[in-house]
Amino acid sequence: KAGVTQTPRYLIKTRGQQVTLSCSPISGHRSVSWYQQTPGQGLQFLFEYFSETQRNKGNFPGRFSGRQFSNSRSEMNVSTLELGDSALYLCASSQPGGRTEAFFGQGTRLTVV
Amino acid sequence: AQSVTQPDIHITVSEGASLELRCNYSYGATPYLFWYVQSPGQGLQLLLKYFSGDTLVQGIKGFEAEFKRSQSSFNLRKPSVHWSDAAEYFCAHSGSARQLTFGSGTQLTVLP
Repeated sequence: KAGVTQTPRYLIKTRGQQVTLSCSPISGHRSVSWYQQTPGQGLQFLFEYFSETQRNKGNFPGRFSGRQFSNSRSEMNVSTLELGDSALYLCASSQPGGRTEAFFGQGTRLTVV
Repeated sequence: AQSVTQPDIHITVSEGASLELRCNYSYGATPYLFWYVQSPGQGLQLLLKYFSGDTLVQGIKGFEAEFKRSQSSFNLRKPSVHWSDAAEYFCAHSGSARQLTFGSGTQLTVLP
């Protein structure tokens, strides 16, 4: 069974640009969550999608958005990039329900210059 | 607000020695608890999880963790560390698996 796939693995963008990251969950998993990991703030929850609907959102500005498609694949978008958006962005997929674990992809390393 | 504390930023152990990584959580109800490991530049791999029942849980790679409600702790242990265990370890909890609150991580160095 294939794991969580994130593309691209690495990105370099210029301040002010926008970026789109992609995540394909494990087959059968309908919940996708996104996390940002930085040395200063650690791992922080961005948002979670289930059945194409955002169910939870972390404390991030509106420049961070996402969506989920009918095949459960998800994308996150960051507009008007700032230097502080440089981070490892991790996607996790899980089965619906409370007692399930989240499986993470290898992440997308975004560098804003 | 929910929080997870990993008091040790960095731990160094010799190969073959035992290991214990500490984790404390702040959550009113019984939390779902997890330990993840991350190698440099990689994603997170789940080591073990606790939802309910037996408070001593076994995970992959020879790791185990014990849930102690009275101490709000979920410490990770391994009886004999291997050089390949060198990585960063994260404790996490959630009310549902889809929104995790992570600790700040413990970096493990293994000496030959």
